[in-house]
Amino acid sequence: QLVESGGGLVQPGGSLRLSCTASGFTFNNYAMHWVRQAPGRGLEFVSAINGDGDSTYYADSVKARFTVSRDNAKSTLYLQMGSLRAEDMAVYHCAREAYDSSGYYVDIWGRGTMVTVSS
Amino acid sequence: QTVVTQEPSLTVSPGGTVTLTCASSTGAVTSLHYPSWLQQKPGQAPRSLTYSTSNKHSWTPARFSGSLLGGKAALTLSGVQPEDEADYYCLLFSSGGNLVFGGGTKLTVL
Repeated sequence: QLVESGGGLVQPGGSLRLSCTASGFTFNNYAMHWVRQAPGRGLEFVSAINGDGDSTYYADSVKARFTVSRDNAKSTLYLQMGSLRAEDMAVYHCAREAYDSSGYYVDIWGRGTMVTVSS
Repeated sequence: QTVVTQEPSLTVSPGGTVTLTCASSTGAVTSLHYPSWLQQKPGQAPRSLTYSTSNKHSWTPARFSGSLLGGKAALTLSGVQPEDEADYYCLLFSSGGNLVFGGGTKLTVL
């Protein structure tokens, strides 16, 4: 199970840190993703991090503004968001990436936390 | 930047069959993209239905099947049920470590 928290209302240019707490699986064995969905829009990749936390990936739209990290001891994934813009307003989901003999897939999703950017 | 294209909307009758497709702007979708299909109902988190082209999860109803069709990823629903009305998203894995989503298909069961 994945449960996100930390969303809320923030002014343009402000910062926010999202958390995603995992349970029911060995957290450090899995890469994790942040995916967002603006109101009425589709799914958009935001960021990813490998199981050890030493490789990170970002969408061009958030590069240099967002930082993904994880604390495997706490089974928690984070997304530090800065210089927030109106277009960052969305529900932010965390998701687990798994791998088996057939390949890669994303199998567990959190319900998401809403980030509203408005003055 | 890769753009993944899906049909914006499709309508199917209960009991019917419908195929959703997923095309990549960079060329043919192959098994190396590990194409997945997700279902999302209003107010809910996405739910993975198929992965690595044609594999199903333990929770995936048998009527859903994934495949590659003419250079695209495809999701076929056979014997559509009213509860299948939802948004469906194609997901491809890129070599850069990120995920690429299609724009979504709104499936109406009417």
